[in-house]
Amino acid sequence: GENVEQHPSTLSVQEGDSAVIKCTYSDSASNYFPWYKQELGKGPQLIIDIRSNVGEKKDQRIAVTLNKTAKHFSLHITETQPEDSAVYFCAVRGPSTLGRLYFGRGTQLTVWP
Amino acid sequence: EAGVVQSPRYKIIEKKQPVAFWCNPISGHNTLYWYLQNLGQGPELLIRYENEEAVDDSQLPKDRFSAERLKGVDSTLKIQPAELGDSAVYLCASSLVVSVDTDTQYFGPGTRLTVL
Repeated sequence: GENVEQHPSTLSVQEGDSAVIKCTYSDSASNYFPWYKQELGKGPQLIIDIRSNVGEKKDQRIAVTLNKTAKHFSLHITETQPEDSAVYFCAVRGPSTLGRLYFGRGTQLTVWP
Repeated sequence: EAGVVQSPRYKIIEKKQPVAFWCNPISGHNTLYWYLQNLGQGPELLIRYENEEAVDDSQLPKDRFSAERLKGVDSTLKIQPAELGDSAVYLCASSLVVSVDTDTQYFGPGTRLTVL
């Protein structure tokens, strides 16, 4: 199956700074890359996703970039706020995995006021 | 619109006891997923249903786990007997899949299982 590596495992930033989380994957045929935010005691919530025919996607303070050649994609959060504090997961789906998402191990983001 | 509903939210049982989890997907979603999330890790797929058919159950430990999705709507995941290592969060997700580009998955809050 797909191998998804996510870094860093923990990230602390000051309010207003930017945060970047990176993921790499192994299957070059993978074509769908969502990012989820999980707060304590809740299920993962989709915050942004990108498909392989697009290199970058932005939604207000959140952006995702995809480098298919290098097989990595990144989540960028600008102007961070304390409510951005949560665990963020990247995921990957390939055309041969029948809808199965492979998740990274998560990044605990803490935004200090 | 209501999201994915799961119950119970928490369950504590002794080992060797049976346990069942229930999931109600988003209305109209044809695909339902059960994931297992161990502490400090990302979710891992256990089983995926397209309508009432289980199309991917390769990661479901069939000796003790079973699942059903009657009438292609609600689903139940069962463990019998439970083992200590089954302590985890069990997540349900659903999506409306009409093409390869429309499979965004939406998750429920999960059921946290503790096996003593």
